[in-house]
Amino acid sequence: DSGVTQTPKHLITATGQRVTLRCSPRSGDLSVYWYQQSLDQGLQFLIQYYNGEERAKGNILERFSAQQFPDLHSELNLSSLELGDSALYFCASSPRTGPGGNTGELFFGEGSRLTVL
Amino acid sequence: GESVGLHLPTLSVQEGDNSIINCAYSNSASDYFIWYKQESGKGPQFIIDIRSNMDKRQGQRVTVLLNKTVKHLSLQIAATQPGDSAVYFCAENMGYSGAGSYQLTFGKGTKLSVIP
Repeated sequence: DSGVTQTPKHLITATGQRVTLRCSPRSGDLSVYWYQQSLDQGLQFLIQYYNGEERAKGNILERFSAQQFPDLHSELNLSSLELGDSALYFCASSPRTGPGGNTGELFFGEGSRLTVL
Repeated sequence: GESVGLHLPTLSVQEGDNSIINCAYSNSASDYFIWYKQESGKGPQFIIDIRSNMDKRQGQRVTVLLNKTVKHLSLQIAATQPGDSAVYFCAENMGYSGAGSYQLTFGKGTKLSVIP
C-alpha cells in the first residue's frame, strides 16, 4: 500500500459528460501529480501541484483541470469527455525534501479506470 | 488484472536467470533517472534511481547502468523470480520545479514475464 488513495476505482460514463477524480496523497506529502495511462501512449504527465499551487504542466488538455485543496487532497476534473479519454488516471505524491537531498520517488495510487462509452 | 499496454516489448526469462531491461532516453540534459515496476492492476512502484554523475548503482538484486554517451539506461535483475513479472518503466527527470518536485517523463515500458 503506497498510502495514496484514489477514488473512484472504476468509472463508466458517456461522451460529453464530466467526471471528477479524487486523490488523497500520503500523509505529509505536499506534491501531487496526475498521470494518464492509456494503451497507446503509456504514462503521460498531466499536471503537478505543490502545497496548493500549480507547479508544472504536461500534456493536459484544456478540457481537463485540477486543483489541490488546503487539506492537500487533489481533484482532476475531466469535461466534455471523448472516447479517447478512456484510460487509467494515476495520482502520485512525493515527499517534501530540500535541494540536494531529493529523491524523485513518486508514490502512486492504484488509479482510477475511466471508460467513456 | 488490467493490461497496461498491448504493444509493449516483452522479455521472457526463466526463473533464476538474470534479466536485463533496456531503455533509451531522449534528453541529453536529463540529470536523474528512475526505474519503476508496475504489476497488473496496480500503480507504478519505485525500484531504483541514479543520477547523471554516476554510471552504476546497485540495490537489492537490481543494478542500474547509465551510459550518457548513447543515452541508454538498463536495469539488471539478478536471479529473477516469479514476483518480478511486471511492466518496467524507465523515467527521466525533465525538469526540476523546486522543493522536492520532479517532472518525470516515462518510457513506454517493457513487460517482463518470468517462466517458472
